[in-house]
Amino acid sequence: GDSVTQKQGQVTLSEDDFLFINCTYSTTTYPTLLWYVQYLGQGPQLLLKVTTANNKGISRGFEATYDKGTTSFHLQKASVQESDSAVYFCALVENNYAQGLTFGLGTRVSVFP
Amino acid sequence: DTTVKQNPRYKLARVGKPVNLICSQTMNHDTMYWYQKKPNQAPKLLLFYYDKILNREADTFEKFQSSRPNNSFCSLYIGSAGLEYSAMYLCASSDWGGETLYFGSGTRLTVL
Repeated sequence: GDSVTQKQGQVTLSEDDFLFINCTYSTTTYPTLLWYVQYLGQGPQLLLKVTTANNKGISRGFEATYDKGTTSFHLQKASVQESDSAVYFCALVENNYAQGLTFGLGTRVSVFP
Repeated sequence: DTTVKQNPRYKLARVGKPVNLICSQTMNHDTMYWYQKKPNQAPKLLLFYYDKILNREADTFEKFQSSRPNNSFCSLYIGSAGLEYSAMYLCASSDWGGETLYFGSGTRLTVL
């Protein structure tokens, strides 16, 4: 079945640091790849998506690039702010949508001023 | 209004007792989902409704029930809670085929 792997459980940064979160996936189809963000006390919300057609997703200063060779779609941001502190989930959805989203474990990002 | 509401925010239950969690959405989405989130684990899809059709995951088929009496409302029912049911339960909705799921803030269930 589909799987998504996030190996970083927690990342601690200072403001203006570079953020990089690693995510790899395994699937037999051509999925849409997604990043969701969950702020404290809220449910997850879609941050950006990447399709195999467009290869890159950009939103709110965050960027993710799909790499078919390494089956990865890492999330990065050049300069984080304290307000970026949240849990970030990578996820995928198959093109038939029959299975809902498959999520990774999530990475807790803490940004200190 | 992109709102999914879940009640209650926190739920305490006794082992062996039933639990009913509720969720509502105002976006007229045809699909509603229930996910279970435990610490250090990925959110796990339990079931989803497409319109009035319920789809339950094979490994949780017997543990969870659900109902959707109308388009806006969906419940998650546990007939006899066990300690292993302690988790955050997240409800979400979307249009069928949409990658954007709108999540509620969740209900944290603690079974004692």
